[in-house]
Amino acid sequence: GIQVEQSPPDLILQEGANSTLRCNFSDSVNNLQWFHQNPWGQLINLFYIPSGTKQNGRLSATTVATERYSLLYISSSQTTDSGVYFCAGRGSGAGSYQLTFGKGTKLSVIP
Amino acid sequence: DAGITQSPRHKVTETGTPVTLRCHQTENHRYMYWYRQDPGHGLRLIHYSYGVKDTDKGEVSDGYSVSRSKTEDFLLTLESATSSQTSVYFCAISTQGSNTEAFFGQGTRLTVV
Repeated sequence: GIQVEQSPPDLILQEGANSTLRCNFSDSVNNLQWFHQNPWGQLINLFYIPSGTKQNGRLSATTVATERYSLLYISSSQTTDSGVYFCAGRGSGAGSYQLTFGKGTKLSVIP
Repeated sequence: DAGITQSPRHKVTETGTPVTLRCHQTENHRYMYWYRQDPGHGLRLIHYSYGVKDTDKGEVSDGYSVSRSKTEDFLLTLESATSSQTSVYFCAISTQGSNTEAFFGQGTRLTVV
């Protein structure tokens, strides 16, 4: 199956700062999602973005499928953005049902 | 809320006892999945189902079995729980196997003592 690497593993931001989280894939993916796991453990869907760019409020994401990476942008960060951000993708062929997760980026936004 | 309910939300059990976790969906989605989340490993797929009575193994299936007798319910069973199965278990659903978005339940925290 595919391998997913996320960077950075940890990130501390001052409230109001911007950040970029990166996700690299070992092989092509036909399904890519970004999730936010809040401090209560809930996994919240942020983006379904196999390719292209999407925006939702202060968050946006870009996936460049041909170069096997995706970026999540957080602008004007708030303390409620704290938590762990996961990207996950499905490969093609055998194992394509499996959504493979990266190990996450732990974001802490301090006032 | 994607209409996914996991039960129980928390459970403590003893080593060697059987445990069944339930995932119930109201979305009529064909595909259902069980993942476990452990520190340092992210989420890993245990088993998945692509229809009633149709299931297959994922990356970490040893020690687990599943059943799906109805579209809306997907059960995960630990036949004889071990301490290594202490984890947070997540159920997920999607309309198709690959090219669609997956949605997750709220998780079940299982502790095996």
